[in-house]
Amino acid sequence: RKEVEQDPGPFNVPEGATVAFNCTYSNSASQSFFWYRQDCRKEPKLLMSVYSSGNEDGRFTAQLNRASQYISLLIRDSKLSDSATYLCVVIRSGGSYIPTFGRGTSLIVHP
Amino acid sequence: DVKVTQSSRYLVKRTGEKVFLECVQDMDHENMFWYRQDPGLGLRLIYFSYDVKMKEKGDIPEGYSVSREKKERFSLILESASTNQTSMYLCASSPPDRPLPQHFGDGTRLSIL
Repeated sequence: RKEVEQDPGPFNVPEGATVAFNCTYSNSASQSFFWYRQDCRKEPKLLMSVYSSGNEDGRFTAQLNRASQYISLLIRDSKLSDSATYLCVVIRSGGSYIPTFGRGTSLIVHP
Repeated sequence: DVKVTQSSRYLVKRTGEKVFLECVQDMDHENMFWYRQDPGLGLRLIYFSYDVKMKEKGDIPEGYSVSREKKERFSLILESASTNQTSMYLCASSPPDRPLPQHFGDGTRLSIL
């Protein structure tokens, strides 16, 4: 089992839709979790951290489920500009804090 | 504006050559990272450094080495380039309280012929 797994998609949704992605991780000692966004042919950019209690940033909501070992990203009222690949990142603890990226989930928002 | 600068956007080298990829950041960050990104495999960590002259292996260090002589510069070295090292290479940096890549460079697309 890969350490961090994501459904590659693409998720194809109309403008205004609500869409959610999950990211599962295999190491129960994983400590910190984040979502990045990567536009086509661009570098990844940090989108938001994921806190145990869940957190919201505008239309974006991130949640962590430690029991089932996954994190999620919910996007409400999708915009065309949300089209991108969303990467989850997990930092495992113990020794060095190495950030591990998932392969990403592609989102296409169409008019 | 903060900046991570990679020396080349595109690079073509031959098998067996020694290749240097340079990365400079102007944010006085302690942490610096080198990743490669390949279709279907995502971003994979090659090496990272949390201070000058300090380095740690990531998930795929084989065939690579790094150098961090100055805080602002983190170099990735392919000792003897091979075709399977053709990839997009991304450098990133972050402050010490955040051990994950916060600012990425534009990337170097390296082709080994």
